[in-house]
Amino acid sequence: EVVMTQSPATLSVSPGERATLPCRASQSININLAWYQQKPGQAPRLLIYGASTRATGIPARFSGSGSGTEFTLTITSLQSEDFAVYSCHQYNTWPYTFGQGTKLEIK
Amino acid sequence: EVQLVQSGAEVKKPGESLKISCKTSGYNFPSYWIGWVRLMPGKGLEWMGIIYPGDSDVRYSPSFQGQVTISADKSISTAYLHWSSLKASDSAMYYCARLGVPAALMTHFDPWGQGTLVTVSS
Repeated sequence: EVVMTQSPATLSVSPGERATLPCRASQSININLAWYQQKPGQAPRLLIYGASTRATGIPARFSGSGSGTEFTLTITSLQSEDFAVYSCHQYNTWPYTFGQGTKLEIK
Repeated sequence: EVQLVQSGAEVKKPGESLKISCKTSGYNFPSYWIGWVRLMPGKGLEWMGIIYPGDSDVRYSPSFQGQVTISADKSISTAYLHWSSLKASDSAMYYCARLGVPAALMTHFDPWGQGTLVTVSS
């Protein structure tokens, strides 16, 4: 199966700064990648699909990039509500798989 | 508005059976794949399997094949996840989630249910 690697497991960034969260696939997944945000006690929320398309209602400070095996979620001008766990998800190759997640915490 | 509402938290003993549900509304239930995802404490999300209610086609991740059964009832727009014999290691949060494009399998999850916490303990 395709292994999705998210490193670091925890990223500390100050409010107002930019956060860059990487996700690497063990083999090419084209652009069949989504990003989800999850806060404690809540369900995951779709942020990005097709590697770079923002989901409905997602603020423009969230952007996705990459193709093949290297992907990045970028959050500019971090707001307090952005501190959460972010997971990448490949839906190119069965079985579909998720990364282990990166916890974005306040520095 | 598309909604996925899951059944409540469960506390079970090892060896017991369990079926949790995901009731949907706001869209044409038969036309979208709907799947189940596990989240264990301290771990990442795990893709379990998925069903197309239109024809009951079910696909399982190899890690969960034979461990759970996924089903759906079109008449009440509800998907299910069933265990015939629970183990302590099945303790986790379980989410249902619909795929985002009708009839498409190679696509993202959107939206998600609120989650069902399953605790298995003697």
